[in-house]
Amino acid sequence: GEDVEQSLFLSVREGDSSVINCTYTDSSSTYLYWYKQEPGAGLQLLTYIFSNMDMKQDQRLTVLLNKKDKHLSLRIADTQTGDSAIYFCAERYYGQNFVFGPGTRLSVLP
Amino acid sequence: DSGVTQTPKHLITATGQRVTLRCSPRSGDLSVYWYQQSLDQGLQFLIQYYNGEERAKGNILERFSAQQFPDLHSELNLSSLELGDSALYFCASSPRTGENTEAFFGQGTRLTVV
Repeated sequence: GEDVEQSLFLSVREGDSSVINCTYTDSSSTYLYWYKQEPGAGLQLLTYIFSNMDMKQDQRLTVLLNKKDKHLSLRIADTQTGDSAIYFCAERYYGQNFVFGPGTRLSVLP
Repeated sequence: DSGVTQTPKHLITATGQRVTLRCSPRSGDLSVYWYQQSLDQGLQFLIQYYNGEERAKGNILERFSAQQFPDLHSELNLSSLELGDSALYFCASSPRTGENTEAFFGQGTRLTVV
């Protein structure tokens, strides 16, 4: 079955890079996503990567995909206090429902 | 603003009651998804509709039902409510089912059952 795993907590200092990791099990996933959830808010789509790509960069965000190991990571450069949130990794196969990980709570320390 | 509107934002009700949560998808989006977010279960997929028809079903209880109307808005009905149904309920929409890439989430409805 489908399963997505993430570490639950990550703390970094302001200005450092954050790396949030995710592993998934469904090798037929076509798209992998990162969503951000701030306290009391909904899920905000940050970025996504198609499964035939290895890397995608969007401003401070870099997504790396290792399809062989079914490992996805999100790197946030120059992490700011406003980046403190829960980050969800999700997999999806051609418009089917998303399967989300448990979320990684990122705390940015001043 | 994702363009997906959910109402109400907050709902407090008693056990045994029935509530209806409403979702208006982004303009032009045909596909609507419902998710439940609770502390112990994380984000769980409940059900998907596409252009008025049920497309996929996840971990949705028999006490829960949903529908998508001709104007594409969707409602999630929760009945015989239990304390454990307290959660944040999200709706998401995407343009179509198939090779679409993005789904946008509403702000959620926080349901508290007392």
